[in-house]
Amino acid sequence: GAGVSQSPSNKVTEKGKDVELRCDPISGHTALYWYRQRLGQGLEFLIYFQGNSAPDKSGLPSDRFSAERTGESVSTLTIQRTQQEDSAVYLCASSFASGLAGTPNEQFFGPGTRLTVL
Amino acid sequence: LAKTTQPISMDSYEGQEVNITCSHNNIATNDYITWYQQFPSQGPRFIIQGYKTKVTNEVASLFIPADRKSSTLSLPRVSLSDTAVYYCLVGLNQAGTALIFGKGTTLSVSS
Repeated sequence: GAGVSQSPSNKVTEKGKDVELRCDPISGHTALYWYRQRLGQGLEFLIYFQGNSAPDKSGLPSDRFSAERTGESVSTLTIQRTQQEDSAVYLCASSFASGLAGTPNEQFFGPGTRLTVL
Repeated sequence: LAKTTQPISMDSYEGQEVNITCSHNNIATNDYITWYQQFPSQGPRFIIQGYKTKVTNEVASLFIPADRKSSTLSLPRVSLSDTAVYYCLVGLNQAGTALIFGKGTTLSVSS
């Protein structure tokens, strides 16, 4: 029933600590996306999951970033050894499976997790 | 990968029609044009999508000329609540999995 949910809504951490962000997609949506949005900037694609296919990790900025998804449900984005440059809003979106090439399905976004690294 | 260019910002007054034009000179044959809207402290939300000519829904209209090298999002009679960032997205990333968001156009509507 509900839309995409993310938790926590806000996270403040110290430099060097690991953080885990959670996304609950809309039920029935097989595709799940993570994006990063720095203050005043557009969205940067991070990673894409589609069913049981291998994820598209092409947007992950470094090996400190990783994400998992169990089946077609919850996903977690983990940032290890956080740096101040990681401070941003992390947005999750879900959609039905991508259509034919060039025909993107509507993505439904969560409210995001605002991460602040001190 | 199709690159998009849109104005950084636009100002308008309540009740006016707002047209935001996006250039995408190297759009591919099978690329669709999609617009999203983002309010402060919220995730983006889908507004409209089209391939050619004109598409209209309850929120906006999308005009696409025959050469498809540009598109115009038209918002009729804007209100203060239309103040947001509007993103024009064309095609998908190299892996064919995700939309590519630029910086968008910040629309400010005043009374």
